[in-house]
Amino acid sequence: GNSVTQMEGPVTLSEEAFLTINCTYTATGYPSLFWYVQYPGEGLQLLLKATKADDKGSNKGFEATYRKETTSFHLEKGSVQVSDSAVYFCALGGYQKVTFGTGTKLQVIP
Amino acid sequence: EPEVTQTPSHQVTQMGQEVILRCVPISNHLYFYWYRQILGQKVEFLVSFYNNEISEKSEIFDDQFSVERPDGSNFTLKIRSTKLEDSAMYFCASSDASGYTDTQYFGPGTRLTVL
Repeated sequence: GNSVTQMEGPVTLSEEAFLTINCTYTATGYPSLFWYVQYPGEGLQLLLKATKADDKGSNKGFEATYRKETTSFHLEKGSVQVSDSAVYFCALGGYQKVTFGTGTKLQVIP
Repeated sequence: EPEVTQTPSHQVTQMGQEVILRCVPISNHLYFYWYRQILGQKVEFLVSFYNNEISEKSEIFDDQFSVERPDGSNFTLKIRSTKLEDSAMYFCASSDASGYTDTQYFGPGTRLTVL
């Protein structure tokens, strides 16, 4: 079945540091890949999406590239801000349901 | 921008009581979903719903759970007799299609606490 593995957190970075959160997946077919973000006390917000191999999703300075050869969809941001502190979920689209990773908590300190 | 809404934001109930969690999906969407996130754990799929019937459900979605679209705008999740282990954040989601490349949009969640 489908599964998503993402790096354990928490990740603590200083403001303006470079961020990478690793995500790998196992899937049948050719699903879309997503990153969702959950800010403290809030729900799940779609951060970015890629629908096919070599697609790059981007939003708010975050990027992730759909790598079929390595089955990966790593999240990156060149310069994080305190306001980026949240839990980030890698997810895989499938027929009728989305499969989520365990989430990675990011804390950015001033 | 259209969004999924959920009520209440927090529900506290006694074990054995029935609860109904409510969701208003995005208006032109046809597919509706419920997910659950136990504190500190991953978000888990519960059920999908289309054309007034369940399309798929997980093993978590047992006979204690039911879903309904009582009118043209609401989508509800009922837990008949709550257990302590039902304490979780429940997310509703909707989409305009259900294929591998389609995006589900999530509501802010209802935190259910069972005492």
